[in-house]
Amino acid sequence: DGGITQSPKYLFRKEGQNVTLSCEQNLNHDAMYWYRQDPGQGLRLIYYSQIVNDFQKGDIAEGYSVSREKKESFPLTVTSAQKNPTAFYLCASSIGEGTRETQYFGPGTRLLVL
Amino acid sequence: AQTVTQSQPEMSVQEAETVTLSCTYDTSESDYYLFWYKQPPSRQMILVIRQEAYKQQNATENRFSVNFQKAAKSFSLKISDSQLGDAAMYFCAYRYNNNDMRFGAGTRLTVKP
Repeated sequence: DGGITQSPKYLFRKEGQNVTLSCEQNLNHDAMYWYRQDPGQGLRLIYYSQIVNDFQKGDIAEGYSVSREKKESFPLTVTSAQKNPTAFYLCASSIGEGTRETQYFGPGTRLLVL
Repeated sequence: AQTVTQSQPEMSVQEAETVTLSCTYDTSESDYYLFWYKQPPSRQMILVIRQEAYKQQNATENRFSVNFQKAAKSFSLKISDSQLGDAAMYFCAYRYNNNDMRFGAGTRLTVKP
């Protein structure tokens, strides 16, 4: 079945530690996105990538980093510079970069700070 | 900056009844897309319906339909014959360029049996 997978479902981070969230898609989509969701709020864009080896910052990129070495994969690293990382993280993908392209979402990863 | 406002933090509806969720947005663009996403307790975001701003006809998907008022910048979602499985958070979203998608804060819908 085609879809977007995110792992792990839950992730715990210690102070000063970098952690990486995985996002994989087998939909052959070119564009991929990372969003952060806080309680009572909508989604905010962290990073996006329209094509392999290229990515751009979203609204809240500080403290995060990404890579796009393969079309299928778009991992997100939460660095120690992100002072308030506790949130729900959603990965999405779309066929292309047009505005009409619908974004499809993975099941999400909940990150908690110990 | 483009913003999306959902003025109803919570709504409830009786099973089999109809409910309307409100959404307004702020933009100076003329060509854009609007979406409603559903987020059930599993927290996966599921596309419910989408509307192209250049189309005057309101989009429909089975029991879900929208009332798109471009001049008023309003995009409400109507759910007919509500079912228990419709209980979820509903997010309105606006997209006007390749990479800028704005979400409202969400409306929590409860369906009473």
